[in-house]
This record gives sequence, structure tokens and C-alpha cells, in this order.
Amino acid sequence: AQTVTQSQPEMSVQEAETVTLSCTYDTSENNYYLFWYKQPPSRQMILVIRQEAYKQQNATENRFSVNFQKAAKSFSLKISDSQLGDTAMYFCASNSGGSNYKLTFGKGTLLTVNP
Amino acid sequence: EPEVTQTPSHQVTQMGQEVILRCVPISNHLYFYWYRQILGQKVEFLVSFYNNEISEKSEIFDDQFSVERPDGSNFTLKIRSTKLEDSAMYFCASSWGLALNEQFFGPGTRLTVL
Repeated sequence: AQTVTQSQPEMSVQEAETVTLSCTYDTSENNYYLFWYKQPPSRQMILVIRQEAYKQQNATENRFSVNFQKAAKSFSLKISDSQLGDTAMYFCASNSGGSNYKLTFGKGTLLTVNP
Repeated sequence: EPEVTQTPSHQVTQMGQEVILRCVPISNHLYFYWYRQILGQKVEFLVSFYNNEISEKSEIFDDQFSVERPDGSNFTLKIRSTKLEDSAMYFCASSWGLALNEQFFGPGTRLTVL
């Protein structure tokens, strides 16, 4: 079974600053995928970034990047130049092999960007 | 841009009543999912559906739950006899493929069981 742990229930950052959200996971699979989803107050979950476990290079998407440490089973999200619109709940998630690649989520981190 | 839609946005029901939550996945997607999120807790997988049958279900998805894709566009979750502990946000998701393919989520239905 997979587990995903987010140890920071809430975080805040000043606009234009950089913030890092932590995530650790546990899996017995060799092939798996990791995701960060954002859930703004409107509640629609949106994919922020994804990482294939067999790729050593960290994924980046504009202001969002990850620090993937496979041996430590750590997958943190870095948001650079934080914007007010980044205020949201952020969920770390993983999936692995099997028939359907269901997502296993962490409990989430509520990020508030302050002006 | 295509999106997953869900209706209703909020459903209030009495304990023991049947509810049907509706989802319209993105039209060319093949894999469909239901997740739920009890207030203050993590998002949990309920069931996945592919090729008109359940491909996997969690232990939460007991005999009170069922899913259906009745007409090739809608994807429904039925709870036969609701319990207080079924109160949660229910999210539908769909994807074109597996693995790294993004699961697109709907906005959710808030179910309140009184």
C-alpha cells in the first residue's frame, strides 16, 4: 500500500517570496508517479506538476519546481515568486502500477500568500 | 477548455435516503474515478471504472455504493442508504490514459446527510 505524508498543515509566504512545501511517501513499487495538485477556494483540483520516479531530473513548470529525492522518498514543491493566486490547498499524491493508477493523497498543506 | 462537471454542487439528504451524484467526464477520456474528502481529512479513493466495469474499489466502497455509466457521457455514483458518515465532498475524475496521465477533477459535490 502507498502512503503520502504532508507534515505542514498550514504555511504562509509573502508575495514574491519563495516557499517550499514538504511531502514524503512510502511505496513498495519500483515504478510510480508523483503529483502536486492545487485546490483553490473554488474547490476544483488542478494539477500543478508531475514527476516520474524513474527520472532523476526534477520536474519544473514555470514558477513551480520539485525536489525529488528518491532514496529519501521525498517530493517537495517549491513555488518561486509567490503570487496571491497561489493561495490554495496543495495536495501531494502518488500513483503506481495496477489496473488503474488510483491516486493516493496526503492530507494537504494550506498555503496563504500575503500581500 | 474541456472540463469535468458535477451536479449537484450541494446535496442535503436524510439518513437512509438514496442519493445519486452525477458527473460528466471529459468526452474522450477512458478512465473514471470517484474520490471523497471528509471535512478536514485527506482525499480518499473510492472506485475506478474502465470499459464499463469497475476496475478497482476501496474498502470504503461497500454494497451501499454503486457506479454506472448509463449513456456513454454521464458517470454516476449512487449511495443506496446514506449514513451520517457519508457526509463529505465527492470528487469525480477522468483521464485519457494511465500512469503519468493527468486525472482531471470535477468541482465536487458536497453531500450532507442529516
